[in-house]
Amino acid sequence: EAGVAQSPRYKIIEKRQSVAFWCNPISGHATLYWYQQILGQGPKLLIQFQNNGVVDDSQLPKDRFSAERLKGVDSTLKIQPAKLEDSAVYLCASSSPRLGRRQGSPLHFGNGTRLTVT
Amino acid sequence: LAKTTQPISMDSYEGQEVNITCSHNNIATNDYITWYQQFPSQGPRFIIQGYKTKVTNEVASLFIPADRKSSTLSLPRVSLSDTAVYYCLVGPPNYGGSQGNLIFGKGTKLSVKP
Repeated sequence: EAGVAQSPRYKIIEKRQSVAFWCNPISGHATLYWYQQILGQGPKLLIQFQNNGVVDDSQLPKDRFSAERLKGVDSTLKIQPAKLEDSAVYLCASSSPRLGRRQGSPLHFGNGTRLTVT
Repeated sequence: LAKTTQPISMDSYEGQEVNITCSHNNIATNDYITWYQQFPSQGPRFIIQGYKTKVTNEVASLFIPADRKSSTLSLPRVSLSDTAVYYCLVGPPNYGGSQGNLIFGKGTKLSVKP
C-alpha cells in the first residue's frame, strides 16, 4: 500500500509569515494525526481527526495553528503567523479502525515537513 | 496515560543483541505497549506491540513481565542500519476516534558501531 504522503518536504519562512502543510493519508484510514517534532524531542500530538471531525485538539495552539480535513481524506495544517519556536518537523500519521483487533491499530507516519522560521 | 522512562542513549556493536528497557510503573489494565523506530529525516515506524508475556515478529521481540511495570525491546544481531531512535508508548488501544496510544517520550537513541 502507498504510504502517508506529505508536502512540501522543506519550508523556510520568516517569522510572522504564514505556511501550510498538506497530508494525504493511507487509503481507507479514517483517523489522521498531526504531530510536531522539535529537534531532539519525541513527536508531540497536535490534533487528531476521525473522518472529518476533530477528536482531540487540546495541544494545538489555536491562536496561530489551524487544521482541517474537509472531505475526510486529505488534511491541511496551517500556521499564521509563524514564530521562531515553530521551527520543527511536522509529521502526519494515519491509522485504520480495524475494530476486530483488541489492541487497536498502529500509526503510519509520513516523512514530515521540516519548517524553519527565521 | 502512563508515563514511560527509557535510557536516553545506548551504544552497541554490529552482530550483538540489544535490549532496550522501558519503565511504566503506572500502566493501566487496558494499556498496551507499543514500540516505534525513527531514522533521521523520517517519520516513526511501528515495530511491535504487546500486552503481556512475549511477542515476537520478524524484526524484534518484546518481553513484558507479569507485573507489566516495564517492558524490554530486544533486537537480535543488530546492524549499522538499526541506528535510530526507539520510542516506547503505553496507552489504551488506538481505535479511531479514541485517545489511544499516542504519546511519545524522548526515546532511546541507539548507536550501532562496526
